[in-house]
Amino acid sequence: GAVVSQHPSWVICKSGTSVKIECRSLDFQATTMFWYRQFPKKSLMLMATSNEGSKATYEQGVEKDKFLINHASLTLSTLTVTSAHPEDSSFYICSAVTGQDISYEQYFGPGTRLTVT
Amino acid sequence: AQRVTQPEKLLSVFKGAPVELKCNYSYSGSPELFWYVQYSRQRLQLLLRHISRESIKGFTADLNKGETSFHLKKPFAQEEDSAMYYCALSGLGNEKLTFGTGTRLTIIP
Repeated sequence: GAVVSQHPSWVICKSGTSVKIECRSLDFQATTMFWYRQFPKKSLMLMATSNEGSKATYEQGVEKDKFLINHASLTLSTLTVTSAHPEDSSFYICSAVTGQDISYEQYFGPGTRLTVT
Repeated sequence: AQRVTQPEKLLSVFKGAPVELKCNYSYSGSPELFWYVQYSRQRLQLLLRHISRESIKGFTADLNKGETSFHLKKPFAQEEDSAMYYCALSGLGNEKLTFGTGTRLTIIP
């Protein structure tokens, strides 16, 4: 149980275009979803916290107008990278919390590799 | 501010030898500590958390508040333990995780 999927698993887009990444909890309702960015050989950097039906909370230094997050249902959150540039190329990972675990275990998606040319 | 430090980027250990992956943290309140593992070509998954005080796959970790550490240990390494290990911290009752930079553990046959 507690499976999180991401789509697409990889995407290549041209500079200036926008790309949407989906994060779905397949067998549970996620009260909260998180979006991370992972740079090569570095740790996961939390970008934002997404709660169903409310605005996402962004971490310091993350541009909310560039990284649009929508959490329309308890099983789906989307991250849209708007006007992508090569420096946005990265590995984006989402995670979800069931809200039923006293220690808030996060279940991670497999990640999405974004390459901006 | 909360911070997690994993001083070793790479760690190689012979099969059967003891393993210790270091993790130190900085947090002003009551922390919850976790170890996450990422095996080759797999997603990140929870290995253990201090609140459970359990042993998973032979690994244990004890929260030492005096030394602000949460080192991961296993008495006898196995080849299947080769993976990337991340120490993570959250505040009590807080869902947000702060990750360390990770340690790549390689078990030498």
